[in-house]
Amino acid sequence: DAKTTQPNSMESNEEEPVHLPCNHSTISGTDYIHWYRQLPSQGPEYVIHGLTSNVNNRMASLAIAEDRKSSTLILHRATLRDAAVYYCILGTYKYIFGTGTRLKVLA
Amino acid sequence: NAGVMQNPRHLVRRRGQEARLRCSPMKGHSHVYWYRQLPEEGLKFMVYLQKENIIDESGMPKERFSAEFPKEGPSILRIQQVVRGDSAAYFCASSPGQTNEKLFFGSGTQLSVL
Repeated sequence: DAKTTQPNSMESNEEEPVHLPCNHSTISGTDYIHWYRQLPSQGPEYVIHGLTSNVNNRMASLAIAEDRKSSTLILHRATLRDAAVYYCILGTYKYIFGTGTRLKVLA
Repeated sequence: NAGVMQNPRHLVRRRGQEARLRCSPMKGHSHVYWYRQLPEEGLKFMVYLQKENIIDESGMPKERFSAEFPKEGPSILRIQQVVRGDSAAYFCASSPGQTNEKLFFGSGTQLSVL
């Protein structure tokens, strides 16, 4: 399975946009890009996924580079409830979660 | 619509005992996945099951671990003769079917081996 690289941690002020980057230079042509997040003592929660085109849903937007070697999860207005570990994952069900990006939201 | 239900939430076992972890998928979901999260690490895939079938068990340790998803009832992850290194959070997820669909995760079972 292809590997992803994410920053260990990021901080954001409440009500401001957050851009969480992910590099996946070895992505294959059929790999979907998935984002999940995990709050303490909870299971991961689906955020968004896409293949080639940018995607939007009520939670976030996913911007995918034209060469697909990187992507960015965009939270348009961070809230305290968005503080979590965010995982960028490739492929199907056999996910490798890695250590993700710990997002801290400052009030 | 109830989410993925896992029980127990916490399970304490002594070395050498057996641990049974249960997972009831969301209503209408016929695919179940088990993951393990060691302390300070990300989740790692263990096994993918459909009703009465193991589809992919490439992430399961070769010994002591087994999983099933019977025609009736929850999916069970069974760990025989537990050791301290089995202490981890075990998460179950379910999906309606096709790959690349989003997975719905349960809240996990925290297994502690004394």
